[in-house]
Amino acid sequence: DAGVIQSPRHEVTEMGQEVTLRCKPISGHNSLFWYRQTMMRGLELLIYFNNNVPIDDSGMPEDRFSAKMPNASFSTLKIQPSEPRDSAVYFCASSSNRGQETQYFGPGTRLLVL
Amino acid sequence: AQRVTQPEKLLSVFKGAPVELKCNYSYSGSPELFWYVQYSRQRLQLLLRHISRESIKGFTADLNKGETSFHLKKPFAQEEDSAMYYCALRIGGGSYIPTFGRGTSLIVHP
Repeated sequence: DAGVIQSPRHEVTEMGQEVTLRCKPISGHNSLFWYRQTMMRGLELLIYFNNNVPIDDSGMPEDRFSAKMPNASFSTLKIQPSEPRDSAVYFCASSSNRGQETQYFGPGTRLLVL
Repeated sequence: AQRVTQPEKLLSVFKGAPVELKCNYSYSGSPELFWYVQYSRQRLQLLLRHISRESIKGFTADLNKGETSFHLKKPFAQEEDSAMYYCALRIGGGSYIPTFGRGTSLIVHP
């Protein structure tokens, strides 16, 4: 298994543009998490899906952020419009058994908004 | 709400020296505690969890409920231990969402 797959690995965009980050969880995992990592705030949970349903999105910073999971093998995190303060590394992680088991992280997407 | 505190953003030691990465938590119940590690250019991965009571890569961590701490220790640091370390807490009762600390960057000098 290739593990959790994220794309793109790097994204540079201009303020105001739409950004879409993609994640493919490990096959068979039914929980998916989106995190944001910054120097100032460390690792923050943005949203958590279980069986494709958003369970907790209290970490989503603003309405500019949205996440979807149309099926068990794909999720997107969209920022529209993007702002410079959104610059961070965004991680996707998956786990099995309603998140009770260990989380496996993707390589992350490094986003820079100019 | 539960909280995880890693007081040191950066910890710098020389090879062969003992290392202790501090982690304190606030939660009144019985949490699960974890340490995750992120080596340069690699993904975040689980290092160890307190319920396993095992030593991984020479690291150990003991849950001290009295002090609400879960410090990560290694008696002799190696250069390859240089990485970002995150302490994480997870509570039960249906919520399996972990709370992460802000992380400590460990640098081991030759």
